Amino acid sequence: SQTIHQWPATLVQPVGSPLSLECTVEGTSNPNLYWYRQAAGRGLQLLFYSVGIGQISSEVPQNLSASRPQDRQFILSSKKLLLSDSGFYLCAWATRVLRSTDTQYFGPGTRLTVL
Amino acid sequence: AQKVTQAQTEISVVEKEDVTLDCVYETRDTTYYLFWYKQPPSGELVFLIRRNSFDEQNEISGRYSWNFQKSTSSFNFTITASQVVDSAVYFCALSEPEETSGSRLTFGEGTQLTVNP
Repeated sequence: SQTIHQWPATLVQPVGSPLSLECTVEGTSNPNLYWYRQAAGRGLQLLFYSVGIGQISSEVPQNLSASRPQDRQFILSSKKLLLSDSGFYLCAWATRVLRSTDTQYFGPGTRLTVL
Repeated sequence: AQKVTQAQTEISVVEKEDVTLDCVYETRDTTYYLFWYKQPPSGELVFLIRRNSFDEQNEISGRYSWNFQKSTSSFNFTITASQVVDSAVYFCALSEPEETSGSRLTFGEGTQLTVNP
C-alpha cells in the first residue's frame, strides 16, 4: 500500500531564515505530487505541483520554491521566510492519469510558525 | 474558472442528529470530478469520496451519503446519526482533467462540524 510522509511535523523559524520541508511517497511510482498551504482559517491553496522529476509548476508566485530531485521526493523551500509564510503545509500524491483525474492522498502535514 | 462554495462555515449538532453539509460548484467543463475530504483535529486530510460528472447516482457508505445534482451544481454530504468522532472540518473539492496529467483540486473553504455528546 502507498504511504506519504512529511517532515518535520512542526517547525518554528525566525523571519529571514531558510526553509526546507520534505515529502516522500512509498509504494507507488511516477506519482503526481502537490504542495498545498492552509493558512489560519481554513482554505487550502495549491502552491506547486509536479508530474515528474525536475518538472515543477507554480500556481502562486511567492516566496517559496519547490523541487523534485527524485521520483518520490518533493521538497518545498524558501531562502528567507516571511511572517506570511506561517501555516499548515500539506503534501499530496496522485496516480498519474492522462486526461483524467485520480484521487489525491494527503500527508500528515507540517505546521510552520514564523516569528 | 472553477469555484467551490461551502456556505456553512460552522455547524453544531447533538449526537445522533442527522446533518447535511452543502457544496455548490462552478465550472465550464462538462467533464469534472468532485471530492469530499475530512480534516480531523490532527490535520491530515482524509479522502471520503470521488464522483465524476457523468455519474449522478447518489451514494451511501455506512452513515455517510452523498447527493449529486448537476441541475443545481451541488454535491451535498449527509451524515446520519452523527457521532462525536465525526467532529472535523469537511472540504468539498473540484477537479477538471487536463490535457497533460496533473489535475489540480480547487477546494471550498470548509465546514467545521461539531458533534456534541
